[in-house]
Amino acid sequence: GEDVEQSLFLSVREGDSSVINCTYTDSSSTYLYWYKQEPGAGLQLLTYIFSNMDMKQDQRLTVLLNKKDKHLSLRIADTQTGDSAIYFCAESISWTGANNLFFGTGTRLTVIP
Amino acid sequence: NAGVTQTPKFRVLKTGQSMTLLCAQDMNHEYMYWYRQDPGMGLRLIHYSVGEGTTAKGEVPDGYNVSRLKKQNFLLGLESAAPSQTSVYFCASTPGANRYEQYFGPGTRLTVT
Repeated sequence: GEDVEQSLFLSVREGDSSVINCTYTDSSSTYLYWYKQEPGAGLQLLTYIFSNMDMKQDQRLTVLLNKKDKHLSLRIADTQTGDSAIYFCAESISWTGANNLFFGTGTRLTVIP
Repeated sequence: NAGVTQTPKFRVLKTGQSMTLLCAQDMNHEYMYWYRQDPGMGLRLIHYSVGEGTTAKGEVPDGYNVSRLKKQNFLLGLESAAPSQTSVYFCASTPGANRYEQYFGPGTRLTVT
């Protein structure tokens, strides 16, 4: 099956940049996504990138995609304590016919004041 | 719009009991999904539906059944609950066709003793 991998933990100081990394295996992915999950809540879509793009910027968020290495990253500039959460990357697999997403295990970001 | 809602938010079952989790969406989305989330394992797809009256198995379907009698509702049933089904259950929906982003409900925390 598809394998989406992320490191489990990341700690940064408030005001620094955070970079969360993800690797995926399916080269036919159409879109790649970043979701945020705060404690006790569902997953909130943060941003996504189409597979033929290299970079997408959305306010403090920058997504970089290296399709050759199947590597996706999310950079959060000027990280705030409110950014503390679990971040999931996900890839869409077009061949399933049902717009299924495959999720990584999530990276828990802790922002230190 | 309420988006995606789930009922109940919490439930405790004894082994062997049955229950149904309800997911409702008011966005007229075609596709709906049920996931379970366990520590360190990300989200795993249980069942999904690509339209009213249709359902299909996901990655971990055993022990669960689903029904999609109305487009806006997707029900997840546990016929005979087991402790291994203790988890947080999330429902999601997506418009369908070429739209892959999924919108999540707030989750149901189920404990089976």
